[in-house]
Amino acid sequence: QVQLQESGPGLVKPSETLSLTCGVSGYSISSGYYWGWIRQPPGKGLEWIGSIYHSGNTYYNPSLKSRVTISVDTSKNQFSLKLSSVTAADTAVYYCARRQYYFDYWGQGTLVTVSS
Amino acid sequence: QTVVTQEPSFSVSPGGTVTLTCGLSSGSVSTSYYPSWYQQTPGQAPRTLIYNTNTRSSGVPDRFSGSILGNKAALTITGAQADDESDYYCVLYMTSGISVFGGGTKLTVL
Repeated sequence: QVQLQESGPGLVKPSETLSLTCGVSGYSISSGYYWGWIRQPPGKGLEWIGSIYHSGNTYYNPSLKSRVTISVDTSKNQFSLKLSSVTAADTAVYYCARRQYYFDYWGQGTLVTVSS
Repeated sequence: QTVVTQEPSFSVSPGGTVTLTCGLSSGSVSTSYYPSWYQQTPGQAPRTLIYNTNTRSSGVPDRFSGSILGNKAALTITGAQADDESDYYCVLYMTSGISVFGGGTKLTVL
């Protein structure tokens, strides 16, 4: 069974960089699929942030592309998200998920609050 | 900027049938967009219901079905139950490699 688990700071200061990691178990990232990040501000809908292949090929949401970097570490079977210059609008639950043309496995999500 | 549209809210009576739709601000939704549907209850991660337009994920009851209706993707719930009361999101996959979520539909069963 594929399992994903997000980890990282729950509080980030404005203008700093948000960093999260998604650990994958039950499946080797090197075996294929894209792996991605989705977020959900409190009380709002879901927003796709971006996805990465084990080779490092990435796709990003055009509205976030200038601030987002997604990377992969196949040796640790994990991938990471960095979102720079955060503001209160980046406060959200961040989910990691496996993506084909759709998202089939999801992490439980982690709340990141942007506040001084 | 691609916008995926969904009804903000819908209500259905227990035992009734409801169809939620997923459209594009410009253009028609086809199977080429690999429409998928997700159910989310408060405080929980989304659950994958339907992918590739009409394929049910493992464990999803057959009262959930997906299709293309006219120029939109559709999720139909037949024989709605109280625990179907949730938020439902569709996702379209673009040829550019990006995924776009709809704004979600809040379904009330009453």
